[in-house]
Amino acid sequence: GAVVSQHPSRVICKSGTSVKIECRSLDFQATTMFWYRQFPKKSLMLMATSNEGSKATYEQGVEKDKFLINHASLTLSTLTVTSAHPEDSSFYICSGNYRDSYNEQFFGPGTRLTVL
Amino acid sequence: QQQVKQSPQSLIVQKGGISIINCAYENTAFDYFPWYQQFPGKGPALLIAIRPDVSEKKEGRFTISFNKSAKQFSLHIMDSQPGDSATYFCAASRSVGADSGAGSYQLTFGKGTKLSVIP
Repeated sequence: GAVVSQHPSRVICKSGTSVKIECRSLDFQATTMFWYRQFPKKSLMLMATSNEGSKATYEQGVEKDKFLINHASLTLSTLTVTSAHPEDSSFYICSGNYRDSYNEQFFGPGTRLTVL
Repeated sequence: QQQVKQSPQSLIVQKGGISIINCAYENTAFDYFPWYQQFPGKGPALLIAIRPDVSEKKEGRFTISFNKSAKQFSLHIMDSQPGDSATYFCAASRSVGADSGAGSYQLTFGKGTKLSVIP
């Protein structure tokens, strides 16, 4: 149980375009979803936390106008990278948890974004 | 502080040997300590986790040892296998708000340890 999927798994886009990444909880209702960014051979860096139906809380240094997060339902959160640039190329990973799971987060498989 | 310090950065172990990865934290508000395994190009997967009221937890070949007074915890992989070759992250979690709901818990990750188990 507690499976999270992400789509797409890989995306290549041109500089200046916007890219949307979907994160779905397949067998549980994710009251909270988290978005992380991971550079090659580095750790996961939390970008933002979102609770269903409310605005996301962004970590310091993360541009909220560039990384738009929507958590419209208990099973879906989206991350839109607006006006992408090569420096936005990274591995983006989402996770979710539910009310009774407390600290435990269930991670998606990640999305590799490459901006040309 | 938020930092979780992890060592070593990389580790090479012979097949059948014991792999040991260590983590230390500063913030005594942390109350949940998971370990994640990540293969290249994949998301992290929960391996094993412990809470500070327990000093050791074992699941199969994986054991967490927890020293609350020293604010340290470690992962031991017994009988290490080539299939265990991956990057391992320790993490610590704490509540970030007054609300005790699920959304109040954030994970702080260590920098990771790349484990290579050689035949």
